[in-house]
Amino acid sequence: EIVMTQSPATLSVSPGERATLSCRASQSVNSNLAWYQQKPGQAPRLLIYGASTRATGIPARFSGSGSGTDFTLTISRLQSEDFAVYFCQQYNYWYTFGQGTKLEIK
Amino acid sequence: QVQLVESGGGLVKPGGSLRLSCVASGFSFSDHYMSWLRQAPGKGLEWVSYIRSRSENIYYADSVKGRFTLSRDNDKNSLYLQMNSLRVEDTAVYYCVRGPGGAAFDMWGQGTKVTVSS
Repeated sequence: EIVMTQSPATLSVSPGERATLSCRASQSVNSNLAWYQQKPGQAPRLLIYGASTRATGIPARFSGSGSGTDFTLTISRLQSEDFAVYFCQQYNYWYTFGQGTKLEIK
Repeated sequence: QVQLVESGGGLVKPGGSLRLSCVASGFSFSDHYMSWLRQAPGKGLEWVSYIRSRSENIYYADSVKGRFTLSRDNDKNSLYLQMNSLRVEDTAVYYCVRGPGGAAFDMWGQGTKVTVSS
C-alpha cells in the first residue's frame, strides 16, 4: 500500500495570506495525485488532479505542484471559505488518502 | 444539475446486512466508472470499491472483500452496495462517487451514515 503523509496536521494562516500544504508518498505516484477540500458536514470536493490541473470551477488561487513523491497545494490570498480540511490522494496504484491538513484561521 | 444521492444507511448490529443505493442525475451515468468511499468518524477517507461502466470488472478493498458486493443498473442510473457480515469497524459515512477516471474522484454524493453497533 502506498502511504500518503500530509504536513502539517494543522496550519494557522490569516485571511489574505498564502497557505502551503505538503503531501508525501511512500513511493513514486508519478503525477497521479489529487487534492480535495472538505468542510464540516460536507462531502469532499475535488480541487486538483494530475498533481496540477484544477478541477472544473475551482478558483485560480488554488494551485498544485510536484511529481513523484513530493507534492504541494498552495492557496494564495486565503478567503474565509477556504478554511477547511484538505486531503491528498494518490491514484497511481489503487487509491489511498493522506490523513488531512486542517487549515484554520489565525 | 449533476447530482449523486445516496440512501440506505442506518443502524445495524454486528453481523448484519445493509444495502446502500445511489441515484445519479445530470450526466451520462453509463459512461463512468463509479465507486463507494467511506469516512469513519473523525478519520480520513478510504476507498471501498469501484465498478467499471458496463460492470465488466469490479474491485474491492481488502478490508471489505468477500463481505461487500457492488453492482449497478445503468437503465436506472443507480449504484448499489450490498454489505454483509458488517463489523463495528465498518461504521462510517459512505459516499457514492464518480470515478476513478482521468480526474480522479470528481463528484461526490452527500453521504449516508452507517453505524454498526450492538
